[in-house]
Amino acid sequence: EDKVVQSPLSLVVHEGDTVTLNCSYEVTNFRSLLWYKQEKKAPTFLFMLTSSGIEKKSGRLSSILDKKELFSILNITATQTGDSAVYLCAGGGIQGAQKLVFGQGTRLTINP
Amino acid sequence: ETGVTQTPRHLVMGMTNKKSLKCEQHLGHNAMYWYKQSAKKPLELMFVYSLEERVENNSVPSRFSPECPNSSHLFLHLHTLQPEDSALYLCASSQGYYNEQFFGPGTRLTVL
Repeated sequence: EDKVVQSPLSLVVHEGDTVTLNCSYEVTNFRSLLWYKQEKKAPTFLFMLTSSGIEKKSGRLSSILDKKELFSILNITATQTGDSAVYLCAGGGIQGAQKLVFGQGTRLTINP
Repeated sequence: ETGVTQTPRHLVMGMTNKKSLKCEQHLGHNAMYWYKQSAKKPLELMFVYSLEERVENNSVPSRFSPECPNSSHLFLHLHTLQPEDSALYLCASSQGYYNEQFFGPGTRLTVL
């Protein structure tokens, strides 16, 4: 059965710290790894990674995929209180339609 | 405000009621999805529609009945639900199967 596991499940840091969130996956016919940020309701898209070893960056956020070891990391530098959210990782496999299998999420809290 | 809207945002219903959830996407996408998010569980894919045809039904009980009349609208018809069906129901859309999915704000459903 496909699964995605995120760690840690919860993380509390101070503003300005750098954090690394982890995601490991076992997905049949794997094609892509996606990261989302969920603050209140709607998860908002951050990154989609399909190639191993190529870092994607957006401001203070960056992510990289390792297809050999089946994991991805999401880095956030110089954290701000607005980064507080649940970060979701999802593995996409090609089985007809692409099915996204989500991890449990990492709840990140940034204290001022 | 995202390009995917959902109504109602909150719904309380009894086990014998019939209600419908509505999703509309304004992004010109051709695939739409229903997900269920229960407390402390990962997002679970329920249904996938592509070009108004259902291409995935993830072993969802028949008391949930989806309908996709066109590529912009998706409904989830509910009848004789159980209290364990209480959850956040999220709609998403994407352009093609293999691109990132964009989520709506969700409907918080409570079954009494």
